[in-house]
Amino acid sequence: AQTVTQSQPEMSVQEAETVTLSCTYDTSESNYYLFWYKQPPSRQMILVIRQEAYKQQNATENRFSVNFQKAAKSFSLKISDSQLGDTAMYFCAFMTSGSRLTFGEGTQLTVNP
Amino acid sequence: DTAVSQTPKYLVTQMGNDKSIKCEQNLGHDTMYWYKQDSKKFLKIMFSYNNKELIINETVPNRFSPKSPDKAHLNLHINSLELGDSAVYFCASSQVARTEAFFGQGTRLTVV
Repeated sequence: AQTVTQSQPEMSVQEAETVTLSCTYDTSESNYYLFWYKQPPSRQMILVIRQEAYKQQNATENRFSVNFQKAAKSFSLKISDSQLGDTAMYFCAFMTSGSRLTFGEGTQLTVNP
Repeated sequence: DTAVSQTPKYLVTQMGNDKSIKCEQNLGHDTMYWYKQDSKKFLKIMFSYNNKELIINETVPNRFSPKSPDKAHLNLHINSLELGDSAVYFCASSQVARTEAFFGQGTRLTVV
């Protein structure tokens, strides 16, 4: 069974600073995709960034980047220059060939002014 | 242009009632899903359909029945609603297995 673990239920960061959210996963599959989704108070699930397991290069999307360590089964999200609008629940997710998107428990990030 | 749309956004109903949540996607995706988000914000897959065929059916009470009339629609019908069914239900779609899922805005179901 695939599992995704986010060990930080809550985090906070000052505006303009950098924060890293942790995620580990467990799977026996070799081909899979990893994602970070953001859920602001509006409830909408928004894709932040994705990473293909076969790619060694870490994905980057503007202020968001990941540190993908395949051997360690780790997939952390770094948010640079944090903005107030980044305040949200962040979910790490994992998708396998069975079309099953498995989510972690989430990390509530608060950006303070 | 809404990619994945669910209706209604909010649904308040009494125990024992039967209700439906509708979902439509205009992305041309071949796979659609229903997820349940509980009060602790945990997201769990309920069902997945690929080209109108059921491919994932998690351990969900048989009071929950998905219906996919075509690959752009996946509706969720719930019979004999219980208090524990109160949650946010998300519809999602993806193009091919292994790519990201696009989510609807969610339906907050409250059973009283």
